[in-house]
Parts: sequence; structure tokens; C-alpha cells
Amino acid sequence: QKEVEQNSGPLSVPEGAIASLNCTYSDRGSQSFFWYRQYSGKSPELIMFIYSNGDKEDGRFTAQLNKASQYVSLLIRDSQPSDSATYLCAFTGGGNKLTFGTGTQLKVEL
Amino acid sequence: GAVVSQHPSWVICKSGTSVKIECRSLDFQATTMFWYRQFPKQSLMLMATSNEGSKATYEQGVEKDKFLINHASLTLSTLTVTSAHPEDSSFYICSAREGGWEGDVFGPGTRLTVL
Repeated sequence: QKEVEQNSGPLSVPEGAIASLNCTYSDRGSQSFFWYRQYSGKSPELIMFIYSNGDKEDGRFTAQLNKASQYVSLLIRDSQPSDSATYLCAFTGGGNKLTFGTGTQLKVEL
Repeated sequence: GAVVSQHPSWVICKSGTSVKIECRSLDFQATTMFWYRQFPKQSLMLMATSNEGSKATYEQGVEKDKFLINHASLTLSTLTVTSAHPEDSSFYICSAREGGWEGDVFGPGTRLTVL
């Protein structure tokens, strides 16, 4: 079983819609969770991090963490074409390194 | 916000030569730096973890004698790909972590092509 599971997509949403990206993880000891955005040919950039169960909002982005069900999600409201990218979820467990998922490709269509 | 730079941004070299990539945290001191490799359409693969003044910790399957990492200061880490071969062609990305950690900051990456 992979440590982090993400649907590779592509996930297509119309402009202005809500994009929902999901990630499940297998390590119950995971402590911190991150969402990174990666444009084609570029390096990842941090969008949000979340430590506690529940929702965390930052502008158009909302991260949701459910440790009991071992999933973390990212909602993007009012999706824009500039949001088209690959979204990587990552977590840290007992060690100090980040474990990344394979990413979900999001396409926001006009 | 925190910024990490990498140099060079791209490099083309002949097979058998060595290539050095620099990673700098520009406006903060990084307690730890990480080196990743990413092949096309694949996710990031951690190569090694680097702490200032100590030996790097390499991930399983990464040859430490081939990928030399030096972390000379709290703002600079270098990765040297020794005797590079075409299969080493990849996108190399570093990241840096501050003490009060709220997410690693990634450098822009270095695209290495070995002919």
C-alpha cells in the first residue's frame, strides 16, 4: 500500500466552480499535512498546511483534515484558469522528511 | 516571504563530467535542507537530507559517492553529481526548512541534461 494516495486526474472543472482534491495516507502517526502546487516545469510552492482535524481556510483555499479517516482534502473556490496545475499533498510522520503523493492534475476550463 | 535560490537553473554536460548545484536560503537560516529529484510526469523523490555541519542522510537506493552533498553553512547546501551519465538527467530541486517550521520552501530547481 502506498503511503500517500492521490487520484492522478486530470480533474477538469469549469471556471468559477469549486475544485475538490483528495489525498489519503496510511501512516496513522502522520502529524503535519501540506498542499503544494506545481506548475509544469516549475518547482512546488506551498499553498497550505494543516495540523489539526477540521477545516482551515486561506482565501479561496480550504484544507480539510480528518485523522480518523486518514484523509486530507483541498477545496479551491471560484477556480481560475491560473489554478491549472498539479497539486501535491505531503505529510510528515515521526521523522522530519516530507512524503509526497504523486499529485493530482487540475484543469480549469474557460 | 522566505526565498530559496538554486544555481544554475539548467545545465548541459557531457557524460563523465561532474556538475555542482548550489542551493541558498536568501532571507532565513535553514536548519535543514533537502534534495529531491523529479523525472518527467513523476512525483518528487527525496534523495537526501542535509543538516549544517554534519553528513547528509541519504535515502535508500541513492548512491552517496555519486551524489555528494555539502552543507557548509545555514544558508548554503551544494549537490555535486559526479561522473554524470544520461540516466542522471533530471530536474533537481532543493528545499529549505526554518526552525519555526510551517512548510518547506522549495528552490526553483535545476534541470540537468547529460549528453
